[in-house]
Amino acid sequence: QKEVEQDPGPLSVPEGAIVSLNCTYSNSAFQYFMWYRQYSRKGPELLMYTYSSGNKEDGRFTAQVDKSSKYISLFIRDSQPSDSATYLCAMKEGGSEKLVFGKGTKLTVNP
Amino acid sequence: DAGITQSPRHKVTETGTPVTLRCHQTENHRYMYWYRQDPGHGLRLIHYSYGVKDTDKGEVSDGYSVSRSKTEDFLLTLESATSSQTSVYFCAISERDRKVDTQYFGPGTRLTVL
Repeated sequence: QKEVEQDPGPLSVPEGAIVSLNCTYSNSAFQYFMWYRQYSRKGPELLMYTYSSGNKEDGRFTAQVDKSSKYISLFIRDSQPSDSATYLCAMKEGGSEKLVFGKGTKLTVNP
Repeated sequence: DAGITQSPRHKVTETGTPVTLRCHQTENHRYMYWYRQDPGHGLRLIHYSYGVKDTDKGEVSDGYSVSRSKTEDFLLTLESATSSQTSVYFCAISERDRKVDTQYFGPGTRLTVL
C-alpha cells in the first residue's frame, strides 16, 4: 500500500462549481498536512497547511483532515478558470524531514 | 515566493558529464531540500540540508551529491549524468526554524540528459 494515494484525474468542472480533491494515507504518524497548487512548468505553491485534525478555511479554499479515516480533502468554492492546475497533497511526521507527496490531481475549470 | 532562485532554469547535457544545479535563498533559512519530479512518481526527496556543511540523504540519493558551504546556497551535483536523471529539479526551504513546519519551493530546473 502506498503511503499517500491521490486520484490523478483529470477532473474537469464548469466555472462556479464546488471542487473536492482528496487524498488517503496509511501512516498514522503523519501530523502535518499540506495542499500545493502547481501550474504547468512552475514550482509547487503552498495553498493550505494544517496541523493534526480539523478544518481550515482561507477564502474559497477549505482543507479538512480526518485522522481517524486517514483522509484529507481540499474544497474549492466558486471555482475559477485560474484554479486550473495540478493539486498536490503532502504530509509529514513531526520531526521528520520527509515530506510525502501524492502524485497530484489535474483540475481544469472551464469558463 | 520565499526568496528562492534556481540556476540554471534549463539545461541540456550529455550522458557522462558532470552537472551542478544551484539553489539560492535570501531569507536565511536553515533547512533546504532538493527534489526531483517525474511523471508517475510525483515529487521525491533527493537530499536535504539542516545547516552549513550538514546534509543527509533522501529517498532517491544514488548518483547525486550535495554541498552547502554558505547558508544561502545549496548545490546539487550529478557526478556523471545519466538519461534516468532527466527530470525537473526543485529546491525547497522549510520554515520549521520559524515554527511553521512546511516547505516552499523554487521555480525548478528542467534538466535533459541526452
